[in-house]
Amino acid sequence: EAAVTQSPRNKVAVTGGKVTLSCNQTNNHNNMYWYRQDTGHGLRLIHYSYGAGSTEKGDIPDGYKASRPSQENFSLILELATPSQTSVYFCASGVPGHTEVFFGKGTRLTVV
Amino acid sequence: GEKVEQHESTLSVREGDSAVINCTYTDTASSYFPWYKQEAGKSLHFVIDIRSNVDRKQSQRLTVLLDKKAKRFSLHITATQPEDSAIYFCAASIGSNNRIFFGDGTQLVVKP
Repeated sequence: EAAVTQSPRNKVAVTGGKVTLSCNQTNNHNNMYWYRQDTGHGLRLIHYSYGAGSTEKGDIPDGYKASRPSQENFSLILELATPSQTSVYFCASGVPGHTEVFFGKGTRLTVV
Repeated sequence: GEKVEQHESTLSVREGDSAVINCTYTDTASSYFPWYKQEAGKSLHFVIDIRSNVDRKQSQRLTVLLDKKAKRFSLHITATQPEDSAIYFCAASIGSNNRIFFGDGTQLVVKP
């Protein structure tokens, strides 16, 4: 079973603070993704990566950075957190081509 | 870019009845259409997919239909059970980079 592990699972941050969400996968998948899920908006892609050292902008990249230092790890960085970034964040991994993507359990981020 | 729309935001059926969730997409280049299920408070997991070279795929109680001309696809669940209650996301993917565009989700409620 493919494994995608997110940390932390819950986070409360202060406005203006820096937040780093981490994701680790043991599937040896090239592709990794960060989504946020908000009621009424479904899943929206923030950043994605095709492999170590690569990051690409998704549909809503503003206010977020991403880092892929290795095949296994993909981080999402909020340099200056804002209340509008309160959401549930999902990391996912997959191989290139039309196959299923595996999701982590999600991180609930609250920015106060 | 691709836009995927789910027509039903909520769907309520009686246990044992059938449920149908409909989706449309905009980009004729989309060639892969997966469905994901999200149970309450949990992450998403893959349930079934269809590729554009076929117009129907069945897996046990789940059937996916694809109408490329109308750019429409649907998930049919027969003999619904309480454990089918969840949010179902349809999605579409273009090309081999595995970037997936999600709909906003349909909350399926199966009433006893």
